[in-house]
Amino acid sequence: GQNIDQPTEMTATEGAIVQINCTYQTSGFNGLFWYQQHAGEAPTFLSYNVLDGLEEKGRFSSFLSRSKGYSYLLLKELQMKDSASYLCAVLDSNYQLIWGAGTKLIIKP
Amino acid sequence: DAGITQSPRYKITETGRQVTLMCHQTWSHSYMFWYRQDLGHGLRLIYYSAAADITDKGEVPDGYVVSRSKTENFPLTLESATRSQTSVYFCASSEGREANEQFFGPGTRLTVL
Repeated sequence: GQNIDQPTEMTATEGAIVQINCTYQTSGFNGLFWYQQHAGEAPTFLSYNVLDGLEEKGRFSSFLSRSKGYSYLLLKELQMKDSASYLCAVLDSNYQLIWGAGTKLIIKP
Repeated sequence: DAGITQSPRYKITETGRQVTLMCHQTWSHSYMFWYRQDLGHGLRLIYYSAAADITDKGEVPDGYVVSRSKTENFPLTLESATRSQTSVYFCASSEGREANEQFFGPGTRLTVL
């Protein structure tokens, strides 16, 4: 079966750095997405990785290792508005997105 | 309004009733999707559409029907609602199915009593 694992919840301090991990086992791989979802709102796109390595976009970076079936999202200089759920999703061989259950990130002052 | 909209935003219905959730996008995106989101689960694909008059099943299609007569609209119908269909439903659209991000509507919170 297809499986994506992320921690259920993480807590971090304002101004700090946090890394949210995602491991996957899917039938084929055509890329990995990270989305942000604030409570009661729709998911919004953060990043896309299809090749190994780090993609940096402002305070957010996303890393991919295809051989290990592993990705992480790195958030720097955390702000209170970063409190949200972070969803990892893999595009499988049928170009269907398989979603993880999401990691709820709590930022404390 | 530009973007992707869903209606209604909230709906309470009873078991056995038919319910239709509407989705409208103004970008002329080819692909449209319906997901449900339940606590403890990732987003699960119900149906998707590659173009007008082309639809296909996703992971959890049972009990749902879709149609796409126009590119911009993609309604989802629960033919006979069940309590297990209580969920938050998201519609999304994208230009393609490959490296394209999906844009999500605001969601419909459906409660089946």
